[in-house]
Amino acid sequence: DTAVSQTPKYLVTQMGNDKSIKCEQNLGHDTMYWYKQDSKKFLKIMFSYNNKELIINETVPNRFSPKSPDKAHLNLHINSLELGDSAVYFCASSQDLDRSQETQYFGPGTRLLVL
Amino acid sequence: KQEVTQIPAALSVPEGENLVLNCSFTDSAIYNLQWFRQDPGKGLTSLLLIQSSQREQTSGRLNASLDKSSGRSTLYIAASQPGDSATYLCAVMAAGNKLTFGGGTRVLVKP
Repeated sequence: DTAVSQTPKYLVTQMGNDKSIKCEQNLGHDTMYWYKQDSKKFLKIMFSYNNKELIINETVPNRFSPKSPDKAHLNLHINSLELGDSAVYFCASSQDLDRSQETQYFGPGTRLLVL
Repeated sequence: KQEVTQIPAALSVPEGENLVLNCSFTDSAIYNLQWFRQDPGKGLTSLLLIQSSQREQTSGRLNASLDKSSGRSTLYIAASQPGDSATYLCAVMAAGNKLTFGGGTRVLVKP
């Protein structure tokens, strides 16, 4: 009954590799997000998609490319991984409500370590 | 640019004491303010959401206040328990449906 799920949970890889993280939500939400939490625990938004359309694209290197095959999935592909990409990546989703009431539901996170 | 600050960064209290966590934000043009809990190695769980027109929200032992004009929110946890040990994150929702997070307060409740 997991609402927002991510795979893999842990990812250890070498610099220069390309990797993908997958996210799925079964809440029927219209909007999905990717966040990055760095070593200092600051959570920052990277991307958001609404009905498969890119809505938010914060200043993220173009090595990061989100892909939304359908409303329930938002995957994150990272090319040419760098040491500084090591972080925890969280997926989230929300329903399109009145913005004053809207909350986001988070997945368990993917811990990426680049060696 | 919205900035969210949480003080203190860490807090340790004996069981039974009340907890007071502070959050401040620089731009008062927000839709809502939310408090989340993060357990080690886990995702975030939404605790309370205060709409911009509201002054406070309560859920069980948790009470959160919002003073939009001064850019402040406080989360009170009454009669703390060891199970309350976690990191508490404050976030504000503003234009563009963006949630901006503070750095969190790491709470330890000692039995």
